[in-house]
Amino acid sequence: GIQVEQSPPDLILQEGANSTLRCNFSDSVNNLQWFHQNPWGQLINLFYIPSGTKQNGRLSATTVATERYSLLYISSSQTTDSGVYFCAVHRGGSNYKLTFGKGTLLTVNP
Amino acid sequence: SQTIHQWPATLVQPVGSPLSLECTVEGTSNPNLYWYRQAAGRGLQLLFYSVGIGQISSEVPQNLSASRPQDRQFILSSKKLLLSDSGFYLCAWSPLGNTIYFGEGSWLTVV
Repeated sequence: GIQVEQSPPDLILQEGANSTLRCNFSDSVNNLQWFHQNPWGQLINLFYIPSGTKQNGRLSATTVATERYSLLYISSSQTTDSGVYFCAVHRGGSNYKLTFGKGTLLTVNP
Repeated sequence: SQTIHQWPATLVQPVGSPLSLECTVEGTSNPNLYWYRQAAGRGLQLLFYSVGIGQISSEVPQNLSASRPQDRQFILSSKKLLLSDSGFYLCAWSPLGNTIYFGEGSWLTVV
């Protein structure tokens, strides 16, 4: 099956710093999503971004499908950004099974 | 708007006891439904998915089963829990070919 690798596995920042999280995938994909898992466990949708660039406030994402990677940018980080960030991809087909990476654990210190 | 709910939020069960986790989706029809498990170490593993009533696909052999008795209801069950069944269980739904949305999750501890 398709492999999804996220880097770095862990990241510690001071409040106000910027960061870039990376997601590499081993095969062509139809869809790609970024999620944030908060400390209570809930998975929050950040971006649905099979290709191109999107921005939402301090967060933005870019997917280069031809090169099989996606980047999540977090600017001016806040303590509430802490948690695990997951990338998930879908290869295609009607059942829409997502394959997840292992995530990046982000800790933002005050 | 569409919403997804799952319950119970937390439960502690003895080894060998049965399990039933329930998930319902509101505001949509004929969604794809999923059960994921997140064990220690963060990775999410797809357990079951369903594209329609009574249609269940299992991704991994295990001690669990799933059922979809109604269009917007998805149930995760076990007849006899094992210690290794402990984890965080997430129900999810998606319209075809679009974003997937997760429920709040259920923390299961088997003792």
